[in-house]
Amino acid sequence: EVQLVESGGALAQPGRSLRLSCATSGFNFDDFNMHWVRRAPGKGLEWVSGISWNSGRVGYADSVKGRFTISRDGAKRSLHLQMDSLRPEDTALYYCARGDIVFDNWGQGTPVTVSS
Amino acid sequence: QFTLTQPASVSGSPGQSITISCTGTTSDVGSYDLVSWYQHHPNKAPKLVVYEANKRPSGVSHRFSGSKSGYTASLTISGLQAEDEADYFCCSFAGTEIFHVVFGGGTKVTVL
Repeated sequence: EVQLVESGGALAQPGRSLRLSCATSGFNFDDFNMHWVRRAPGKGLEWVSGISWNSGRVGYADSVKGRFTISRDGAKRSLHLQMDSLRPEDTALYYCARGDIVFDNWGQGTPVTVSS
Repeated sequence: QFTLTQPASVSGSPGQSITISCTGTTSDVGSYDLVSWYQHHPNKAPKLVVYEANKRPSGVSHRFSGSKSGYTASLTISGLQAEDEADYFCCSFAGTEIFHVVFGGGTKVTVL
């Protein structure tokens, strides 16, 4: 069974940093592109960032470009999102998702709240 | 960011059929059949219910079906059930850069 489990979400002050992680199991992690998608309170889904199976390609939404960094660790089968210079508008539930253009498996999400 | 246009809410009685529309542009829905639909119950993991506009993943009920015409994609839920009450999001490849996908604003489905 494919499992994606996010962690690292917390309350952070504006301007501070957080690092999210996604532990995976049940599939060959090295074969799949991976993504972060978020959902802010009362709003819709927003693609945040993606990374190819071999870390050779990465992409970011304009809203996080230059502040967030995606990475992956094949040995640990994990995905990460380094979030710097956090803003109140980054407050959301952050989901880890597997896939390319289609996200066929998702985690339950980890909450990030940015507030002073 | 680009956003695909969905109705804010759709409702129906048990057993009825409902259709959710998703309207895009020449940059996304109009140019690619790479439209997917996700069901999202609050505090749960989103679930893929349709991909490539009209394909259904293994394990997803046959009551869910997708279509696309021009700039508009649609998700139809037939034989509406209480468990179908959730938020539904469309998503399309936008093709401007690597991994560029855009989501719709979401549709709240209410089972009366």
